[in-house]
Amino acid sequence: GNSVTQMEGPVTLSEEAFLTINCTYTATGYPSLFWYVQYPGEGLQLLLKATKADDKGSNKGFEATYRKETTSFHLEKGSVQVSDSAVYFCALTGSARQLTFGSGTQLTVLP
Amino acid sequence: KAGVTQTPRYLIKTRGQQVTLSCSPISGHRSVSWYQQTPGQGLQFLFEYFSETQRNKGNFPGRFSGRQFSNSRSEMNVSTLELGDSALYLCASSERQGAGTYEQYFGPGTRLTVT
Repeated sequence: GNSVTQMEGPVTLSEEAFLTINCTYTATGYPSLFWYVQYPGEGLQLLLKATKADDKGSNKGFEATYRKETTSFHLEKGSVQVSDSAVYFCALTGSARQLTFGSGTQLTVLP
Repeated sequence: KAGVTQTPRYLIKTRGQQVTLSCSPISGHRSVSWYQQTPGQGLQFLFEYFSETQRNKGNFPGRFSGRQFSNSRSEMNVSTLELGDSALYLCASSERQGAGTYEQYFGPGTRLTVT
């Protein structure tokens, strides 16, 4: 079946540091890939998506590129802010349409 | 447009009781999915409803059930509650456009505590 593996957290960075959160997946066919973010006490917000190989999703300074050859969808941001502190989830949908999530990565950004 | 709303936001129940959670999707969205979030198991898919029909179901016991109404609002029910059912239950809605990208938008969740 489908699965998503995320880098273990927590991740602690200083403001303006570079962020990478690794995500790899296993899926049959051609899944769509997503990053969701969850702030404390809230539900999940869609951060960005990519639907086919080599697509780059981007939003609010975050980027991720759909790499079929390495089955990866790593999240990056050039300069993080304190307000980026949250839990980040990598996810995919396959033919069954349901979202399969990674375990989540807690990010804390210090001023 | 208003986002996905879930009621209630918090619930405390006793083992053996049953509970019903409600979800109102974004206006125009006809698909509603439910997910369970726990510290141990993470985010797990429960089921999806579209046009009042269950289209997909995750690996949960029959104590977990749901339904969807003609206005796309959905409810999920958990009977004979167990301590392990304590979780954040998230509802997500989608336009469910054919076989393409299937973006799901989440509500704030219902925090269920079973004592």
